[in-house]
Amino acid sequence: EVQLVESGGGLVQPGGSLRLSCAASGFTFSNYWMSWVRQAPGKGLEWVANIKQDGIEKYYVDSVKGRFTISRDNAKNSLYLQMNSLRAEDTAVYYCARVDAGRVVGYFDYWGQGTLVTVSS
Amino acid sequence: SYDLTQPPSVSVSPGQTASIPCSGDKLGDKYVCWYQQKPGQSPVLVIYQDTKRPSGIPERFSGSNSGNTATLTISGTQAMDEADYYCQAWDSSAVVFGGGTKLTVL
Repeated sequence: EVQLVESGGGLVQPGGSLRLSCAASGFTFSNYWMSWVRQAPGKGLEWVANIKQDGIEKYYVDSVKGRFTISRDNAKNSLYLQMNSLRAEDTAVYYCARVDAGRVVGYFDYWGQGTLVTVSS
Repeated sequence: SYDLTQPPSVSVSPGQTASIPCSGDKLGDKYVCWYQQKPGQSPVLVIYQDTKRPSGIPERFSGSNSGNTATLTISGTQAMDEADYYCQAWDSSAVVFGGGTKLTVL
């Protein structure tokens, strides 16, 4: 059974940092693109970042470029999101999602339960 | 940047057909997928690559995509289908979601 379990969310002050983790199981993690998607309270889904299987090719939404870094450790079946210079507008539930069929034609076939990040003083 | 537009809400009577549109420039040239999200839950993929249904998704869910509009159709809508629905496509290497449509079954 495919499982994605996020952790690392919490309350952080504006300008602070947080590192989210996603533990993957039930599939060959190194074979898939992975993504982070967020959802602000009461709002819609917003894609945050993608990372290729090899961990080298990465893409970000403009609003987080230069502040967030996506990474992965295929040996540990884990996905990460390092978030720096956090802003109030980064407050959201952050989901880890698996991308099936790769970039451009792919889709998010499995999602984690999400972890809440709250940026507030 | 590429935008996908959905109506904020759609209403349907039980047993009737619900259609949820998603529009974008030359959207028919891209693959579109759809997610269902119920309150307090993670999104669930219901349609991928325009028309395909994942295992476990009821046959009443179908999709189409042509021109500038993709459409999610739910035939014989049931109360359990009441949820938010999001379309999604790729713009080069970025992922784009529509704003979401709240489907009300009344």
